[in-house]
Order: sequence, then structure tokens, then C-alpha cells
Amino acid sequence: KAGVTQTPRYLIKTRGQQVTLSCSPISGHRSVSWYQQTPGQGLQFLFEYFSETQRNKGNFPGRFSGRQFSNSRSEMNVSTLELGDSALYLCASSLYGTGREQYFGPGTRLTVT
Amino acid sequence: KNEVEQSPQNLTAQEGEFITINCSYSVGISALHWLQQHPGGGIVSLFMLSSGKKKHGRLIATINIQEKHSSLHITASHPRDSAVYICAVSSGLNTGNQFYFGTGTSLTVIP
Repeated sequence: KAGVTQTPRYLIKTRGQQVTLSCSPISGHRSVSWYQQTPGQGLQFLFEYFSETQRNKGNFPGRFSGRQFSNSRSEMNVSTLELGDSALYLCASSLYGTGREQYFGPGTRLTVT
Repeated sequence: KNEVEQSPQNLTAQEGEFITINCSYSVGISALHWLQQHPGGGIVSLFMLSSGKKKHGRLIATINIQEKHSSLHITASHPRDSAVYICAVSSGLNTGNQFYFGTGTSLTVIP
């Protein structure tokens, strides 16, 4: 089975712009979770989608949003980028949710200038 | 207040040594995860456990639900074990809940 894929792998954006990141889960996995990793805050949970519905959201501002399509692929969007949004964004898929084994993608490294 | 605390933050060991990384958590959990992250960012799930003990090769993970504590042991450590080890807990099962991470333990194994 192919692993979790994320596109793009690297991205440079300017403050104020918006960005969309994509995650394709392992075939058959219905849960996709998104995480942000920064040197200062470490790994933080953004949100989880299951069967096209957001089941839970971490403590992030409304500028961070996501969606999941019927084929379980997920996108996350960050609007009005700030310098502090520079981070590695990881997605993970699992069969049923975050209480199950997570399979992580390679991440998208976003740099905001 | 951190829901998940790990120790030590940094660890240097000689090849062959027995290594222990500790994790304590303060929330109710459905599962505890041990993750490994190599330079470059990729994360691999090593263990997911909700009780008892699991073993995979030279790696052993244990959890004590009553004490809200877990340990990851590496026997006969090897330089390829050098990585950041992260403890994480999920507070839900299938209904979707928060996923809390420890700050990670950076392990360096010297040949």
C-alpha cells in the first residue's frame, strides 16, 4: 500500500497570503489529522476529519481550516499568513481516528516571509 | 500546563547501552503513542498501547494506567536509533478528540 502523501513538500509564502496544503491518506483510511510542528511549540494538533466531517479541532485561530473529500483526501488552508505560521505541517491517517495507530506523511515545510 | 511530560529532553548514549525514556500524562486517555522522528521531519509510529507492554525488536514500551506513566526502552542501542522520540496521547477512541504531544527526547547514540 502506498503511504500517506503530502503536497507540496516545500512552500514559501509572503505574509498576508493564503496557502492550501494537501494530504492523501493510505487507501481505506477514513481519518485524517493535521498537526503543526514548530521549534518553539513542538507538535500541536490542528484538527481531525473523518468521513468528510471535522470531528475535533485544536486550539488554533479560525485562519486555519480544513476539509475532507469523499475519497478521504484532505486539504488544510491557512489564510492571512503570519510569520509565526512558518512550520512543518504534518498529516496522518488512520482507519478510525486518533485513538488508533497513526500513519504520518512526510510533511509540508511552510516558510512565511 | 503540559498534558504530556517527557524526560529526559536530551540523551546521549554509547552504542550497546540500555536506554529508557519516560512519559507522564495528566489527561484521561484512550491510547498512548510512541513516535520516532528522524532529521528531515518524517514521523514513524513505533507503538500504540492502552495497557501492559509491547515489544518490537529491540524496542519495548510499557504503560501503567493507574500511575499515568509510560516508558520506552531501547535495548542494545545502535547509532541508527539516533532520533527524536515523542510520546503522545489521544483522549478519544473513534469519536475524535484531542491529541497531545510531549516535547520529545533527542537521543544520540555514539559508536
